[in-house]
Amino acid sequence: EAQVTQNPRYLITVTGKKLTVTCSQNMNHEYMSWYRQDPGLGLRQIYYSMNVEVTDKGDVPEGYKVSRKEKRNFPLILESPSPNQTSLYFCASSLQRTNTEAFFGQGTRLTVV
Amino acid sequence: AQKVTQAQTEISVVEKEDVTLDCVYETRDTTYYLFWYKQPPSGELVFLIRRNSFDEQNEISGRYSWNFQKSTSSFNFTITASQVVDSAVYFCALSEVLGAYNTDKLIFGTGTRLQVFP
Repeated sequence: EAQVTQNPRYLITVTGKKLTVTCSQNMNHEYMSWYRQDPGLGLRQIYYSMNVEVTDKGDVPEGYKVSRKEKRNFPLILESPSPNQTSLYFCASSLQRTNTEAFFGQGTRLTVV
Repeated sequence: AQKVTQAQTEISVVEKEDVTLDCVYETRDTTYYLFWYKQPPSGELVFLIRRNSFDEQNEISGRYSWNFQKSTSSFNFTITASQVVDSAVYFCALSEVLGAYNTDKLIFGTGTRLQVFP
């Protein structure tokens, strides 16, 4: 089954404790991205990757890191989480570019206290 | 700068009513793509439609229809004879590939929450 898998689905952590949210897709898609969803703000792109070893900042990259060492995986790293990073996070992949349908993971609800 | 505006934050209707969700966009380019995604209460995001900037034909899929008008930079979504299962947050999105800058971003609107009451 074609899918994008994020883990964990829910996470509560403390300020400053490094964490990684994993994202994996099994569709051999080139383009992957991370979004955060906040009330009243919709989805905002954090980082994206057009292919292996090619990543770029989205609209809200501060406080986040990503890597794309393999085509299928695109982890999101919070080196020192802060409460303003409490949000719902989505990973997505699409075949080549954003002009094709995006497939989204189930979301990760992160709370930083 | 590219931007997607969904001015309707929340809409409530009674079942069987028709409802239109508005989407207005801004872009610098002549080649772009527009999307609608649905986010039901369970939280996942579901693709509904994609439209490129060169295709202004309206599209109908069952009770769903989309009206793309370049002249007004709008890509509106209409649900005919709404049902309770249509209750969700609906997002409009714009894909803009800027070759000169080698960027490729998907810009979402803030979403419209649709509540359909029985």
